[in-house]
Amino acid sequence: EDQVTQSPEALRLQEGESSSLNCSYTVSGLRGLFWYRQDPGKGPEFLFTLYSAGEEKEKERLKATLTKKESFLHITAPKPEDSATYLCAVMGGAQKLVFGQGTRLTINP
Amino acid sequence: KAGVTQTPRYLIKTRGQQVTLSCSPISGHRSVSWYQQTPGQGLQFLFEYFSETQRNKGNFPGRFSGRQFSNSRSEMNVSTLELGDSALYLCASGQGTIGEQYFGPGTRLTVT
Repeated sequence: EDQVTQSPEALRLQEGESSSLNCSYTVSGLRGLFWYRQDPGKGPEFLFTLYSAGEEKEKERLKATLTKKESFLHITAPKPEDSATYLCAVMGGAQKLVFGQGTRLTINP
Repeated sequence: KAGVTQTPRYLIKTRGQQVTLSCSPISGHRSVSWYQQTPGQGLQFLFEYFSETQRNKGNFPGRFSGRQFSNSRSEMNVSTLELGDSALYLCASGQGTIGEQYFGPGTRLTVT
């Protein structure tokens, strides 16, 4: 069964303090790993898709990387508007998105 | 381009009743997926429809069902509601590219 574990559950940073979120996964036949951002009361917003180990994607202050067992979402010099829950999901051979529990990120000004 | 829309946004039902939720995907998207989100279980996949056919299904009881119309709009139905069905129900649409799904704002269902 495909599984995704995200850590930490919650992270509080000061504005400008860089850090990384972790997503560990087990999947049969990885088709893709996905990062989403979810703000309170809203649906998840698509950020990145990573398809194979070694791949990296960047968007503004966010950078996602992928290895054979985990993915990291690096946040560089975050701003308060980066506060959200970040969700990681994998799709394997069963072609169902399996989500982790998310990391709740708070950036204090 | 308009995003995914879901109606209603909020719903309160009584145990034993049934409910129908509606989703309009992004124009041109043929895939619609439904998810249940709760604080305890997180986001869980319910089912996916593509060109009016159910293409995939999660591990939920038969009380949860769905359908997709020729214009790609989709509905999900939950019969004989239970207290544990209280959740945020999210719809997501895609063009068929694996995993790149775009979510609507969700329908908050409360069962009393």
